[in-house]
Order: sequence, then structure tokens, then C-alpha cells
Amino acid sequence: ETGVTQTPRHLVMGMTNKKSLKCEQHLGHNAMYWYKQSAKKPLELMFVYSLEERVENNSVPSRFSPECPNSSHLFLHLHTLQPEDSALYLCASSQEGVGEQFFGPGTRLTVL
Amino acid sequence: SQQGEEDPQALSIQEGENATMNCSYKTSINNLQWYRQNSGRGLVHLILIRSNEREKHSGRLRVTLDTSKKSSSLLITASRAADTASYFCATDAEGAQKLVFGQGTRLTINP
Repeated sequence: ETGVTQTPRHLVMGMTNKKSLKCEQHLGHNAMYWYKQSAKKPLELMFVYSLEERVENNSVPSRFSPECPNSSHLFLHLHTLQPEDSALYLCASSQEGVGEQFFGPGTRLTVL
Repeated sequence: SQQGEEDPQALSIQEGENATMNCSYKTSINNLQWYRQNSGRGLVHLILIRSNEREKHSGRLRVTLDTSKKSSSLLITASRAADTASYFCATDAEGAQKLVFGQGTRLTINP
């Protein structure tokens, strides 16, 4: 247990569906991250939230929409996804400036 | 890009042997970190070495950093079957609030 939880752990959705991924951290951290991990590719940073403000958006398509209502929760809203969006989506948190990131177990997303 | 690149991409050794993985990066850094990932799971932080440090130990792990060569190595001594996983290095550029990960080394320890 890293103190970061993600739900659901597995998700299968059609291209017309709308779904949301949830991340919660119990570590008192003030920065949270979404990453995408596809087969045979490096971990890709998608979004960074620091003190509940988005500070990084790594050219992610608008069909991915993040939301950070408070410092403990992070959501990734999904709509009109493509099959190539199938991947493991990882959430992480850190204390700003410390460096070490704590990862959740990930959500395995399959888009049909 | 300051992306870390691990070498080798895959490594298979016998239990009890030492495993060495290397990481190279391209720009100046504040620190370099190593993470481990079991198949299909989240990453787990192993060790962080700062740019002004040359070597760091944690249990069976030994990390070195050579900023002149922009490279780092992770040594796992007396390997165990449970060490089977993918290992990633990650760097953060000076002034940046993000980590950049390499593609990882897939380590297999054969019993």
C-alpha cells in the first residue's frame, strides 16, 4: 500500500461512452499527477496539479479532462476515446519539491 | 529531451547473481530516482540520489551517479526471484515540477 488508491482497477468502454477515473491520496501531499503507460513506450506524463491548480498539460487531447476538487482527490474524465487510448493509467502524488512520487496501482483501460 | 534511457532493455540472470542496470540522460538535473514496477501495477520508489551525490546505498541496492557523463547505475546484489520486475530511472530538470521516465529495464531472476 502506497497511500494512493485508484478506482476502478479495470475499465472496458466503448468509443461513445463517458467514464471517469478516480484517484485519492492519503499522504497529505500537495501535488498530484496523471500518467499514461502504453506497451513498449515510456511512461507519459499527462497532467500535473500543484496546490489544486493545473500546472502542466502535456499536449493531451481534449477527450481527456482532469479535475482536482481538492488536494486529496484527482479525477480523469474520459469521453469519445479511441482504441489507441487503451493503456494503464497511473496516478501519483508527491510533496512539492521533495521529488519522490507515490503511485497508485493504476486503472487498466480498454477502449473497444 | 532529458528523457532517461535505460540499458539494457532486458536482463535475465540466475538467483544470487548481481544485476546492474544503467541510465543515461541529457540535461542538468536536481536529482535522479529509480523506481520498480511489477507487471501491470503501479511504480514503487526505490531510491533518490541528488546531483551532488556520487553513490547511495539502500539495503541490497547501490546507486551511482556520474553527472559529468550524465549517467547512473543501479546495482542489485544477491538477487532474488522476487526482484523480477521492470526498473525505471526518472530525472527532474532544475526548476521543473515533473519527472521524466525512461523506457525501463525488464529484469528476470531465474530460480
